[in-house]
Amino acid sequence: EVQLVESGGGLVQPGGSLRLSCVASGFTVSNNYISWVRQGPGKGLEWLALSYSNGDTHYADSVKGRFTISRDNSRNTVFLQMNSLRGDDTAVYFCARGRGAAGGTFDYWGQGTLVTVSS
Amino acid sequence: EIVLTQSAASLSLSPGERATLSCRASQSISSYLAWYQQKPGQAPRLLIYDASNRATDIPARFSGSGSGTDFTLTISTLEPEDFAVYYCQQRSNWPWTFGQGTKVEIK
Repeated sequence: EVQLVESGGGLVQPGGSLRLSCVASGFTVSNNYISWVRQGPGKGLEWLALSYSNGDTHYADSVKGRFTISRDNSRNTVFLQMNSLRGDDTAVYFCARGRGAAGGTFDYWGQGTLVTVSS
Repeated sequence: EIVLTQSAASLSLSPGERATLSCRASQSISSYLAWYQQKPGQAPRLLIYDASNRATDIPARFSGSGSGTDFTLTISTLEPEDFAVYYCQQRSNWPWTFGQGTKVEIK
């Protein structure tokens, strides 16, 4: 069974950092695309970052230079390092497996982890 | 950035009725559109990919159509479990973007 489990969310002050983890089971991240998507409180979905199976990455402009996606294939885990956090980064963060060309269709999602940026 | 506009913020319908949801792209995205369903407190679930292909285990009452800039998700006969928020999403151009969602609520 394919599963994705996020962790690492919590309360952080503006300007602070957090690292989110996404542990996969039922498939190997090494040959799959994994994205991070977030949802602000009462808001819609926003794609943030993609990790290609070959290790390349792609980012939304809103997080480029602040967030870094990476993977540890030995742990079947993808990470999202978030720096210089702002209030508008408050959201539930989901990781999702991508299918199709460049992994742009998300067929499995984790349950999400809540990040709250507040002083 | 491609903007996806879901014309209805909400639809009020009864079980057994037909639901027709629309999504318009700000420029042509060919057939690179997906639809997701999200219930409160849950992650989105993929329903339709590449405009008209049902994802694994999605009931036949869900269908998608369209290409270019105009797309439709149809739920032929609403079941109680179909009342949720539906999002469209494009993968034609970076950054991938979502529509703002349409809430299908019980009338």
